[in-house]
Amino acid sequence: DAKTTQPPSMDCAEGRAANLPCNHSTISGNEYVYWYRQIHSQGPQYIIHGLKNNETNEMASLIITEDRKSSTLILPHATLRDTAVYYCIVRYDTGRRALTFGSGTRLQVQP
Amino acid sequence: GAGVSQSPRYKVAKRGQDVALRCDPISGHVSLFWYQQALGQGPEFLTYFQNEAQLDKSGLPSDRFFAERPEGSVSTLKIQRTQQEDSAVYLCASSPDKPGLDEQYFGPGTRLTVT
Repeated sequence: DAKTTQPPSMDCAEGRAANLPCNHSTISGNEYVYWYRQIHSQGPQYIIHGLKNNETNEMASLIITEDRKSSTLILPHATLRDTAVYYCIVRYDTGRRALTFGSGTRLQVQP
Repeated sequence: GAGVSQSPRYKVAKRGQDVALRCDPISGHVSLFWYQQALGQGPEFLTYFQNEAQLDKSGLPSDRFFAERPEGSVSTLKIQRTQQEDSAVYLCASSPDKPGLDEQYFGPGTRLTVT
């Protein structure tokens, strides 16, 4: 699976959009981009995933650049409950099933 | 609840003791995963089951670690002769493993402390 690079930490004001970047310059054509988050003392939680097109669900939006070398997770209106470590993961949809977590981005939402 | 459950939530073991950690996946989920998470780090893969078959155990750090899922549902991770470096949170995840529905659902983890 391709390696990802994320900033170690970010701050965001409550009610504002949180934009979390991820670089995955070695991604291959069949690898998906997944985002999970881990709130303190809980297990990771799936947020969203995509291949080429931008994706949106009730939790977030995922913007993938045209060359697929980077992506951005957008939380449109961050709340204090969004404070967590956010992991960007790239993975094939077939073959090895395990997720390879990096260090993630620690997002602190400020009141 | 319908989520993944793990027990015990906390376990303290003396060095050299054997421990067994239990995972109850979401009913009907085909795939089950175990991960190990050291303090301040992301989870690291240990092993993967599809139903009762252990298809990938490449992440198990030593032969002291053993996992089973005999009936394709509940799984147990066993660690023999625990050592201090085994102290970590052990996470279990399950997945329906269907096309377009392969996200993993994680339990709360078991925090193992080896003294």
